[in-house]
Amino acid sequence: AQSVSQHNHHVILSEAASLELGCNYSYGGTVNLFWYVQYPGQHLQLLLKYFSGDPLVKGIKGFEAEFIKSKFSFNLRKPSVQWSDTAEYFCAVSGNTGKLIFGQGTTLQVKP
Amino acid sequence: DTGVSQDPRHKITKRGQNVTFRCDPISEHNRLYWYRQTLGQGPEFLTYFQNEAQLEKSRLLSDRFSAERPKGSFSTLEIQRTEQGDSAMYLCASSRHAEPYEQYFGPGTRLTVT
Repeated sequence: AQSVSQHNHHVILSEAASLELGCNYSYGGTVNLFWYVQYPGQHLQLLLKYFSGDPLVKGIKGFEAEFIKSKFSFNLRKPSVQWSDTAEYFCAVSGNTGKLIFGQGTTLQVKP
Repeated sequence: DTGVSQDPRHKITKRGQNVTFRCDPISEHNRLYWYRQTLGQGPEFLTYFQNEAQLEKSRLLSDRFSAERPKGSFSTLEIQRTEQGDSAMYLCASSRHAEPYEQYFGPGTRLTVT
């Protein structure tokens, strides 16, 4: 079955702390991988994507993610979080139809 | 801003009533997707269109749900005989017809069935 699992449901960090959010997927065939972010009161926005090439991808606002095919993982990282990074983060996978399968989401709370 | 728009943003209805939501995609995007999101969960795929053709429907989409995209531009999602379990955020997204089908989401329509 196709699925995405996000390890952490709720993360609380202080400003300047490093962030890593785990994401594992189960999907047959070639995958495209995404991280979306939803800031309070706003709609889902694309943070970064991977579909081929360098497995280390960089996104907006200093975020990056690494695709590790052997581990079926696509973890999101940021070296130093800011209060404005408080949001909900969703990992998603798609195949050749473009249909997205999302994880449950991780709520990140950054304390100033 | 020419992003994805959805109307209405909020809808409160009584159980048993029919509701219809509209989505206007980014103008040059020929793929349009519908998702449903409940509290504490990630969005779940419902259906998608390429131009006016509906190419896939999730088993979540019972026969009370119907979606159309008659001219390959805007789309409507209708729920007939609403049930309390239909209460959710209904999200629309659009993309170009090219992998990786990077999707841009609208603000959603929040449905509350009383």
